[in-house]
Amino acid sequence: SYELTQPPSVSVSPGRTASVTCSGENLGDKFTCWYQQRPGQSPVLVIYQDSKRPSGIPERFSGSNSGNTATLTISGTQPVDEADYYCQAWDSTTVVFGSGTKLTVL
Amino acid sequence: QVHLQESGPGLVKPSQTLSLTCTVSGASINSGDYYWSWIRQPPGKGLEWIGHIFYSGRTNSNPSLRSRVSISVDTSKTRFSLELSSVTAADTAVYYCARMGFTYGTLTAWGLGSLVTVSS
Repeated sequence: SYELTQPPSVSVSPGRTASVTCSGENLGDKFTCWYQQRPGQSPVLVIYQDSKRPSGIPERFSGSNSGNTATLTISGTQPVDEADYYCQAWDSTTVVFGSGTKLTVL
Repeated sequence: QVHLQESGPGLVKPSQTLSLTCTVSGASINSGDYYWSWIRQPPGKGLEWIGHIFYSGRTNSNPSLRSRVSISVDTSKTRFSLELSSVTAADTAVYYCARMGFTYGTLTAWGLGSLVTVSS
């Protein structure tokens, strides 16, 4: 079965750039999304179609996807960005989530 | 604005069937633009896709759960349901319903989630 691998944790200082990676075989050939999940809350879409931002999501969130790796980048990271982040891929049949990354802002 | 709300028992006994319903408001299930999905999250763990249904009734599900999963949509097209049979403690999770875009597989709207505990 298809798998997406994320680092369990990423740490970043406030104001710096955070990068969260998501790896899977030929992931660049699929549509990838990213979700932010704060404790006790439902996931929120922050990036779709590899690099698009939904309305209401700050410009500091960006995404890319090529080869075997998709990347979520948060520029000028703020304390409010501390959360779990999940990548998700879709191959027109099945949905796969990444293992999730805990982003710590300290 | 679409709103999704899960409902169902919070406690299910082992070997029984877990049943949840998702009520949709602000949008019609009878749309060719979306799949209507179920996702779960065990306590302290990551997200797992369970499956989805199209308005026509066509379904697809996670191969690891396929033998136990049934997803249906009611004829009024205002809600869809999940049944998971032969549950064990490993099925204890927060269960989310969500709307997924047909073309790009984007989960654009989520319910608040419903915690289901499997215990005797």
